[in-house]
Formats: sequence, C-alpha cells, structure tokens
Amino acid sequence: AQKITQTQPGMFVQEKEAVTLDCTYDTSDQSYGLFWYKQPSSGEMIFLIYQGSYDEQNATEGRYSLNFQKARKSANLVISASQLGDSAMYFCAMRGSNDYKLSFGAGTTVTVRA
Amino acid sequence: EPEVTQTPSHQVTQMGQEVILRCVPISNHLYFYWYRQILGQKVEFLVSFYNNEISEKSEIFDDQFSVERPDGSNFTLKIRSTKLEDSAMYFCASSPSGAAGYTFGSGTRLTVV
Repeated sequence: AQKITQTQPGMFVQEKEAVTLDCTYDTSDQSYGLFWYKQPSSGEMIFLIYQGSYDEQNATEGRYSLNFQKARKSANLVISASQLGDSAMYFCAMRGSNDYKLSFGAGTTVTVRA
Repeated sequence: EPEVTQTPSHQVTQMGQEVILRCVPISNHLYFYWYRQILGQKVEFLVSFYNNEISEKSEIFDDQFSVERPDGSNFTLKIRSTKLEDSAMYFCASSPSGAAGYTFGSGTRLTVV
C-alpha cells in the first residue's frame, strides 16, 4: 500500500516569491510514479507535474519543479515566481507499480499575497 | 486539448434516492477511475475499470455503488439509496495506460439532503 504525507495544511507566500510544498511517501515498490495536482476553489483537479521513480533528473514544467529525493522518499513541489492565480489546494499523489490508482495526500492550501 | 467531461456539475438528491453520475473519458484512453472528495478532505479512490470490468475497488465501494460503460463513450457511477454521507465531489479520471497520464474531469458535486 502507498502512503502520502503532506504536513503543511496551509501556507502563505508573497507574490513573485518561490514556495516549496512538502511531500513524503512510503512504499515498498521499486517502481512508482509521483504526481502533483492543483485544485483551485472552483474544484477541478489540474495536473501539474510527474516524476517517475527511475527518472534521474528532477521533473520541471514551467514554473513548477519537483525536488525528488529518492533516498529520503520525498517529492517536494517548488513553485517559482508565485502568482495570485497560484492560490489553491495542492495535492501530492502516488501510483505504485502493481496498481494503477492514485493515492493522495491530505493537501496543502497555498495563499498568494499581493 | 482532450478533456474528461462530467455531468452534471452539481446534483442535489433526496436521501434514499438513486443517482447516476456520468463521465465521458478521453476517447483513446483505456483505464477509467472514480474518486471521491468529501468537502475539505483528501481525494479517495473508489474504483478502477479496464477492459469492461472492475480492476480494483476500495473498501468505500460497497454494494451501494456500481459502475458501467454502457456504450463506447460513457462511463457511469451509480449510487443506490444515497445517504447523507455520500455528499461529496465525485471525480472521474481516465488514462491511456495504467502508468501515467491521468486526466481528471471537473467533478460532480453531489449533495444529499
């Protein structure tokens, strides 16, 4: 079974600054995938970034980057140059090697201040 | 960009009634999922569906729930005899394989009164 832990229930960040959202995971699988999703107040789930367990380089997508530290079982999301539109709930999720469902963390609410 | 479409976006139903939530996955995707998010809580897996059958289900997905792919495009979640605690956002998702590329729909907010 996969377990995802997000320990930051809420964070405030100043516009144009960077913010790091923590995510740790627990699995016995050798092969797995890590995902980050954004959920704005409107409710939809927006895919941000993906990291495979065998990927040697950290994933990046525009202003989003994933700080993957496999030995520590962490997959932190970094949002650079925060914008007001980044205010949302952010979920870390994981897929194991033998199942295809996603297991989600509890989420972190990010509020960007002008 | 292809998207997963869910209808309705909101549904209010009386306790004890049956509801059907509808989803149109991305056309070339092979794996389909339903997830649930009770307000303010984490997203929970309900069921996955592949090759016209359930491939995995959670303990939440009891006899009250069923899924169906009645034609080549729709994927439905039926909740029989709804309870107050079924009130949640229900997300449909699809992926081309089981490995990656999950796309979520915008969700159906179900309110049981």
